[in-house]
Parts: sequence; C-alpha cells; structure tokens
Amino acid sequence: GQNIDQPTEMTATEGAIVQINCTYQTSGFNGLFWYQQHAGEAPTFLSYNVLDGLEEKGRFSSFLSRSKGYSYLLLKELQMKDSASYLCAVRDQRGSYIPTFGRGTSLIVHP
Amino acid sequence: GAVVSQHPSWVICKSGTSVKIECRSLDFQATTMFWYRQFPKQSLMLMATSNEGSKATYEQGVEKDKFLINHASLTLSTLTVTSAHPEDSSFYICSATSRASRGAVGDTQYFGPGTRLTVL
Repeated sequence: GQNIDQPTEMTATEGAIVQINCTYQTSGFNGLFWYQQHAGEAPTFLSYNVLDGLEEKGRFSSFLSRSKGYSYLLLKELQMKDSASYLCAVRDQRGSYIPTFGRGTSLIVHP
Repeated sequence: GAVVSQHPSWVICKSGTSVKIECRSLDFQATTMFWYRQFPKQSLMLMATSNEGSKATYEQGVEKDKFLINHASLTLSTLTVTSAHPEDSSFYICSATSRASRGAVGDTQYFGPGTRLTVL
C-alpha cells in the first residue's frame, strides 16, 4: 500500500498563503488527488496530478514531484471558508485504480 | 458536475437493528461505486467497491455478512448495516466514478454528502 504523510493541523491568517505538504511512498505511482472536506460533510475534489509540475486552478494550486514522492497544495488569498480538512490521496498501479487517503490536514483560518 | 446523493443524511437506531443507506448518482451512470467509513478526525477507510450487476469486493477486515452491498442499477448502490452495534457508529460516505476500467488515469471520484449513523 501507500504510506501517506500530511501534517495534522495548520493555522493561517485570512488573506495569506498556505502550503500543505504531502509525502507518500508507493510501489507504482498512478496519480495524486487533493480533496477538501468540511466538518460533517463529504470530500469535494480539488485537483489531480499525475505528471510532475504545478497545476493551477484559481486560488488553489497543486504541485507534484514523483521522484521525491512529494506534493503540496497551495492556497492563496485565504478566506475564512477555507477552514477545512485537506485530504491527499494517492493511487498506485497494483491493479487498483482506487486511491488511498491520508489522514488529512486540518486548516484553521483566523481573521 | 457529477452529483451523488445519499439517503438518509443521518440515522439513529437501536442496537441489533439493520440500517440501509442509499447512494445515487443523479446525472451520470456510475459503473463503480465505493463505500467508505470515517471515524472522527480519521481518514476515509475504504470498505468495499461495487460494480453494477456483480458482487462487491470487500477490503480486508470488513465483514461482508455485516455490511451488505447491492449495486442493482447504474445509478443506485445500497449499504445495509445488519445487526448494528454502537461500534458501527460512524460517518458512511459513498462515491462513484463513471468508468470502470482499471488504471484509467484521471478518473475522479464524486462523493455523496455522507450518512451519519448513531447506534444506541
């Protein structure tokens, strides 16, 4: 399986930029997802990376380095509503296209 | 975008009873649906994968006789928690994809809103 590591909790100020890191170990990488999950709700899809580099989508960007087993989610111009858990999920090639989820990083945005 | 619904959104039941949770894809045909369980401040744990018209594939440690999954149509999968006990209290989330081919790059899972189960 995959070992997925994310920080448990982060705090940031409204309007600032925050970077949430995710490291993983897998035998055959086949894509990395980022999801946002508000308390008591289901995850919503944010981004998907399968090639190295930065994918930008509005205020959110996601970066991947396959050689380093590393990804980050970058959130710009933070808003209070960005307070949520951010889940990194990795898919490998061992006959399964189902990603494994990390424990998530709880982001708290304060005024 | 693809929409997945779950019903009920929350349920409270007595120990020993059975509870059925429905998962529907509203605007696409979901050849594959997934059932997850999430305990507070924990990650999503995959319970089983179900393909329309075939038996579900359960993850190691998940009792297939306790968590009955039926995927009778391309838009509906159900999870029945039989003889529920307090330790089954959790947040149950389903998700769906529109393609079933293994290794398909870019397949995105669309999640339902989840069902909060509390067993007294």
